[in-house]
Amino acid sequence: SAVISQKPSRDICQRGTSLTIQCQVDSQVTMMFWYRQQPGQSLTLIATANQGSEATYESGFVIDKFPISRPNLTFSTLTVSNMSPEDSSIYLCSARQASGNTIYFGEGSWLTVV
Amino acid sequence: EDQVTQSPEALRLQEGESSSLNCSYTVSGLRGLFWYRQDPGKGPEFLFTLYSAGEEKEKERLKATLTKKESFLHITAPKPEDSATYLCAVQAGNNAGNMLTFGGGTRLMVKP
Repeated sequence: SAVISQKPSRDICQRGTSLTIQCQVDSQVTMMFWYRQQPGQSLTLIATANQGSEATYESGFVIDKFPISRPNLTFSTLTVSNMSPEDSSIYLCSARQASGNTIYFGEGSWLTVV
Repeated sequence: EDQVTQSPEALRLQEGESSSLNCSYTVSGLRGLFWYRQDPGKGPEFLFTLYSAGEEKEKERLKATLTKKESFLHITAPKPEDSATYLCAVQAGNNAGNMLTFGGGTRLMVKP
């Protein structure tokens, strides 16, 4: 199974600042995704991270607020820009293994905006 | 639009009391139905993927089944360590991005 590492695991951020979350996968994957999980809620897809090109965003999420990079097959970053308390959530990186259809998740990055 | 509904939202069981969690879905051509377990403060842990009606998969005390409209996660003789939130998600066949649409989850509490 793929191991997905996220950094930071937890952070407290000031309103108006930006934070970049890193995601590293230990094996070859095809697709990488970023999800948000607000307190007490289920997971909502933010975007699909595409290698070498712009991410594909879901309705309600925009590149200016959540810029995403994926410079190679196993690494991606998500930036949460100009943060407000409403951005306090768990941000989860996910990846689909190159062999098979199993989709794994990282441990998440807990962001609290004050 | 793909939709996933899980029931109940919360379930309290005594240790050893078997039960089932439900996941109802509507999707444009199901490619796969996924079950995950999520412990507080952690990311979802993969349990099963089911691909076609009639398919069943088992892992320890858990068995997942699939019909054309819903999936069940059966928990046999649960233990307190089975306490977690169980998430169901669907992957649509016409979904070029292969992303998952999640249900709201069932929060399971098993009391000793």
